[in-house]
Amino acid sequence: KQEVTQIPAALSVPEGENLVLNCSFTDSAIYNLQWFRQDPGKGLTSLLLIQSSQREQTSGRLNASLDKSSGRSTLYIAASQPGDSATYLCAVKSNYQLIWGAGTKLIIKP
Amino acid sequence: GAGVSQSPSNKVTEKGKDVELRCDPISGHTALYWYRQRLGQGLEFLIYFQGNSAPDKSGLPSDRFSAERTGESVSTLTIQRTQQEDSAVYLCASSLETAAYEQYFGPGTRLTVT
Repeated sequence: KQEVTQIPAALSVPEGENLVLNCSFTDSAIYNLQWFRQDPGKGLTSLLLIQSSQREQTSGRLNASLDKSSGRSTLYIAASQPGDSATYLCAVKSNYQLIWGAGTKLIIKP
Repeated sequence: GAGVSQSPSNKVTEKGKDVELRCDPISGHTALYWYRQRLGQGLEFLIYFQGNSAPDKSGLPSDRFSAERTGESVSTLTIQRTQQEDSAVYLCASSLETAAYEQYFGPGTRLTVT
């Protein structure tokens, strides 16, 4: 059974710092891995999608890597801003459904 | 183009009442998914449709939950005899097909059972 774990559960850093969020999964047989952002009371915003054959994806200040063999992904956020404060969710696609991590709650202090 | 839409955005209902939640997927997307997120918890898979059929209903929490999809388009999630533990945000997503295609999410319906 696929399980997804995100570490840390919460993170608070000063504005301007670079940071890394971690996601691990137990079954390497995945189609893809997706990072989402969730703001309080709002829906999900897809940030990056990495197909199983890919190693990384980049969008602006965000970079996500995937090491399928070790069951790990990282989301790197460069030059963090207060607007980056949100909960970040990692989800892996196994068969048809997404299996979700519990999220990392990120607070960027001005 | 238009994204996934869901209605209503918010629903408050009394315990024991039935509710219907609607999802309009992106046009042309054959796969449709329902997820649930209860307060302070992670997202749970409920059900998915490939076309109008639902090959896997194992995620539905109880027999009070049912879902249907018509015309390979709109889907309705129905909860009968609602309970307080049904309070959650219900999210719908669609994709071109299953497997490797990205799922696009709607804004969700926040259900509160009083």
